Amino acid sequence: GAVVSQHPSRVICKSGTSVKIECRSLDFQATTMFWYRQFPKQSLMLMATSNEGSKATYEQGVEKDKFLINHASLTLSTLTVTSAHPEDSSFYICSAREDKQTQYFGPGTRLLVL
Amino acid sequence: AQSVSQHNHHVILSEAASLELGCNYSYGGTVNLFWYVQYPGQHLQLLLKYFSGDPLVKGIKGFEAEFIKSKFSFNLRKPSVQWSDTAEYFCAVNAAGGYQKVTFGIGTKLQVIP
Repeated sequence: GAVVSQHPSRVICKSGTSVKIECRSLDFQATTMFWYRQFPKQSLMLMATSNEGSKATYEQGVEKDKFLINHASLTLSTLTVTSAHPEDSSFYICSAREDKQTQYFGPGTRLLVL
Repeated sequence: AQSVSQHNHHVILSEAASLELGCNYSYGGTVNLFWYVQYPGQHLQLLLKYFSGDPLVKGIKGFEAEFIKSKFSFNLRKPSVQWSDTAEYFCAVNAAGGYQKVTFGIGTKLQVIP
């Protein structure tokens, strides 16, 4: 089946620094990738839709200047959390769309901002 | 906009018991429906999906789900659970036609006792 990887799996950073998370589709090309955030005991919250070669579409309430998304190729999308603060600590999950509707998920990245 | 509700947040079963996890969605039009599973320490995996056709969908590992349009439901079933089915299960929906974003339910934690 389709495989999506994320790197790093976990990261600890100081408040004010920026963190980049990579999402790769390993065995298929994904014109569209998605970034989600998962809070404890809550469902996945879609942050943005990332289309290869164009600007990402952000969901309401998600700051595009804080969560920078780049989808430079058909197999790679990156999420950069700029000037991270403790409230940005969360579990970030990416997914990649293979066919018209099915998404395949990465293993997630646990971010802890001190 | 669509929404998804999963009624049981935590289910505990003994091995060999039958499983039914409820999922109801709210949307006036045609939908695509998904069940994802997240095993402990692993990422989300697609269990099964419904786009059209036979409303009884069979997925991996003996799971099946039935789409009942009149009830706006897509319940997940398995006749006999195993300890290895211990995981969190997420129901998801998106509007059919073109690509529409997927909305996830809050998830149901299933614990199977040997």
